[in-house]
Amino acid sequence: GAGVSQSPSNKVTEKGKDVELRCDPISGHTALYWYRQRLGQGLEFLIYFQGNSAPDKSGLPSDRFSAERTGESVSTLTIQRTQQEDSAVYLCASSPNGLAGGEQFFGPGTRLTVL
Amino acid sequence: SQQGEEDPQALSIQEGENATMNCSYKTSINNLQWYRQNSGRGLVHLILIRSNEREKHSGRLRVTLDTSKKSSSLLITASRAADTASYFCYSGGSNYKLTFGKGTLLTVNP
Repeated sequence: GAGVSQSPSNKVTEKGKDVELRCDPISGHTALYWYRQRLGQGLEFLIYFQGNSAPDKSGLPSDRFSAERTGESVSTLTIQRTQQEDSAVYLCASSPNGLAGGEQFFGPGTRLTVL
Repeated sequence: SQQGEEDPQALSIQEGENATMNCSYKTSINNLQWYRQNSGRGLVHLILIRSNEREKHSGRLRVTLDTSKKSSSLLITASRAADTASYFCYSGGSNYKLTFGKGTLLTVNP
C-alpha cells in the first residue's frame, strides 16, 4: 500500500475488556514498531519486529500486552483486561530494513479510550 | 538516549514568513531526522540528514547539521497554515527506538 495503515482509528471500550489493534505496514518493509503516546506525552516504545520475530519486547508495560506479526506484514497488538491507564494513541511504524537509526514511517494511529 | 532537545518550545509566525527551529543532541550519530506531528496528518517523517552532510533541502525545508556542535536546524520557508504542528528531532545512532523531546510547537497564523 501507499503507507502504513491502522485499524480501527478509534476504539472505545469498557475497563476489563480485551482489544485488538491492527497495523498494515508498507509493503516490503521488514521492520515494524509499536509505540504508545499518552495525551500530551512523548512516544513510548512498546515492541519491535524484524520479520515475524520480535527481538525486542522490552517496552510492553505488562503481561496484559502482547503482539504478533504474521507473513512479514500485518501485526496485531492485543491488550487484555484493559485498564483506564491504557487510554492512549497507539502508533505503528515500519521501516525498510530495521537498521538502527533509520527513518520510520508511521500510521495514523488508533485512539484507544478505556472507560 | 537518541532524544534531541528542540528549541524554541513554541514559535508563532504569520503565513508566508520563515520558521527556524533548532535541535541539540548528546550522542554520536549516523544521521539526524526531523518529524512533524499534528492532529490532521499524524506523525510524519520529514527529512533525514546524514552525519557526513552539512545541509540538505527538500521542497520548502532546509536542514543543516553541525556535528562539532551537536546541533541541527530546520528552516521552513514561506510557511503555510498547514505547517502548524509540533516538530521533533531524533539523532539516529545505534538505537531503533524513536524518542523525542518536547518538540517545537509551530503556529502559523493565516
